[in-house]
Amino acid sequence: QVQLVQSGAEVKKPGASVKVSCKASGYTFTGYYMHWVRQAPGQGLEWMGWINPNSGGTNYAQKFQGRVTMTRDTSISTAYMELSRLRSDDTAVYYCARGADILTAGTNWFDPWGQGTLVTVSS
Amino acid sequence: SYVLTQPPSVSVAPGQTARITCGGNNIGSKSVHWYQQKPGQAPVLVVYDDSDRPSGIPERFSGSNSGNTATLTISRVEAGDEADYYCQVWDSSSDHYVFGTGTKVTVL
Repeated sequence: QVQLVQSGAEVKKPGASVKVSCKASGYTFTGYYMHWVRQAPGQGLEWMGWINPNSGGTNYAQKFQGRVTMTRDTSISTAYMELSRLRSDDTAVYYCARGADILTAGTNWFDPWGQGTLVTVSS
Repeated sequence: SYVLTQPPSVSVAPGQTARITCGGNNIGSKSVHWYQQKPGQAPVLVVYDDSDRPSGIPERFSGSNSGNTATLTISRVEAGDEADYYCQVWDSSSDHYVFGTGTKVTVL
């Protein structure tokens, strides 16, 4: 079955960077966009951007431009999201989620989602 | 940027029908998707493309979309339906994805 498994929780100091991984299985990794979504404690969902695992192309939400970098390693079917210059308000659960088939690109929902990675930013 | 507005909360008795709205400018021209999120869990897609259900999602979950409002309807509500629900669209003008503010459904 299609599954996304994320790396474990992280604690970082303000100003540091964090890199979260998302390992895909059960489908062709390079065939689907991978999105990243975050959720601050008690808050709603916030889309951060996507990566095309085939080409490496990215599209970031304006809010995170300049601070976020999404990459992938196709040899191990893993996507990464790195967020730099962390602030306390970056404390959140970060999710990866599979998006559209790259060839058809006709869908724009997210399914399935990874289990989430809690990133805590605290001095 | 495109904004989606949901009521913060909806309360419903078991066996009744819950309706969760998602308001956006001319949202009827977009495809709307809905997610269920239970405490401590990742979101799960329950309706896509306004009214289609992924395999494994009960027929009790249905959706509609017209004008400035999309609606997720949960029929014959069960205790297990208690969760947060989010609508989502793709904004073609920005090529960005947008989530609604979220609605907490409480089963009385």
